[in-house]
Amino acid sequence: GENVEQHPSTLSVQEGDSAVIKCTYSDSASNYFPWYKQELGKRPQLIIDIRSNVGEKKDQRIAVTLNKTAKHFSLHITETQPEDSAVYFCAASIPGNQFYFGTGTSLTVIP
Amino acid sequence: KAGVTQTPRYLIKTRGQQVTLSCSPISGHRSVSWYQQTPGQGLQFLFEYFSETQRNKGNFPGRFSGRQFSNSRSEMNVSTLELGDSALYLCASSLTSGTQYFGPGTRLLVL
Repeated sequence: GENVEQHPSTLSVQEGDSAVIKCTYSDSASNYFPWYKQELGKRPQLIIDIRSNVGEKKDQRIAVTLNKTAKHFSLHITETQPEDSAVYFCAASIPGNQFYFGTGTSLTVIP
Repeated sequence: KAGVTQTPRYLIKTRGQQVTLSCSPISGHRSVSWYQQTPGQGLQFLFEYFSETQRNKGNFPGRFSGRQFSNSRSEMNVSTLELGDSALYLCASSLTSGTQYFGPGTRLLVL
């Protein structure tokens, strides 16, 4: 089955700096890659997603890139703010609506 | 539209008991997936139901089961509870496939 690896597991950045989280997947059939943000005690919230026919997608300070050949995708957060502090999860979905999640990255933005 | 809801939000059980958790998807969504979330393990996929049929299944023992009703509401049952079943159980709904929206979760503590 699909295997999603996520790095780093923890990340600390200064406010205003950029943060990058990387994920790799194993199944070339995966065609949908969402990113979720989970604040302490809350549900995971979708922040951005990308489909396999697109190489990059941007939404204000958040961007995701996908390299299908290398089977990796990354989340980029620019101009980080303290409210960006949370756990971020990447996921890969194979046809048939089965999702595989990474183990999460705990991001801390230091004011 | 109202979001995904889960009941109960918190549950305390003892080893050997069984438990049933409920998930109501977003109106119009026909797919419901269940995940187990534990510290350091990320989100582990349990199973997915679509139109009252189990469409996908993760690698969990048979003590974990589920079902979906004609109104798309889903229940998950865990029999013969073990200490290791203590976790946050999340459900997520989607239209038929693709973007998943999570509920707030049920936090289960097994003593």
